[in-house]
Amino acid sequence: DQQVKQNSPSLSVQEGRISILNCDYTNSMFDYFLWYKKYPAEGPTFLISISSIKDKNEDGRFTVFLNKSAKHLSLHIVPSQPGDSAVYFCAARYSGTYKYIFGTGTRLKVLA
Amino acid sequence: DAGVIQSPRHEVTEMGQEVTLRCKPISGHDYLFWYRQTMMRGLELLIYFNNNVPIDDSGMPEDRFSAKMPNASFSTLKIQPSEPRDSAVYFCASRYTGSSGNTIYFGEGSWLTVV
Repeated sequence: DQQVKQNSPSLSVQEGRISILNCDYTNSMFDYFLWYKKYPAEGPTFLISISSIKDKNEDGRFTVFLNKSAKHLSLHIVPSQPGDSAVYFCAARYSGTYKYIFGTGTRLKVLA
Repeated sequence: DAGVIQSPRHEVTEMGQEVTLRCKPISGHDYLFWYRQTMMRGLELLIYFNNNVPIDDSGMPEDRFSAKMPNASFSTLKIQPSEPRDSAVYFCASRYTGSSGNTIYFGEGSWLTVV
């Protein structure tokens, strides 16, 4: 029973354009959402997060949007660069705990 | 600063054998997590510890899996007996309660192949 879902296993985007990665969740008990980036043969690394009391958080080229009513979040990368090519994992934290649940990942390929 | 250290990086073993994966969390971190990555389920939380005590092991797939944390700087994940379906990348991660963000820090993973 996947509580954090990333329905697009892969995405290809032209360099300089916007990349939009989507994530849906089913549990209302999540209070923080995170995005992690993973290169081959490396561990995931933290990218950006958002609290459930906010609807947007921005950090340079990366912006995360949260729509609580739809239980949906998205990561926008503008402009996309070839170095952004990686697998992106969405994660959610259960309120009042440090239990983090991750999705299945989306492989982003940015074409030069 | 050293990150989360996992060993072995790669393990190939025969079905039925015991496998032990090891993890050294970042010094001072009081939470330790074990995750498994597969194509079908993504990053799946197996178990996590706080101050060496298991808090939630609901993700451990079955009795063949066990995890221990004898002290603050070492944890093991053991599979006995191993089966081909256990083939995956196993990640250890840690975090410190007192840190301001929500980041957990991952090791580079242990690639397990059971033949």
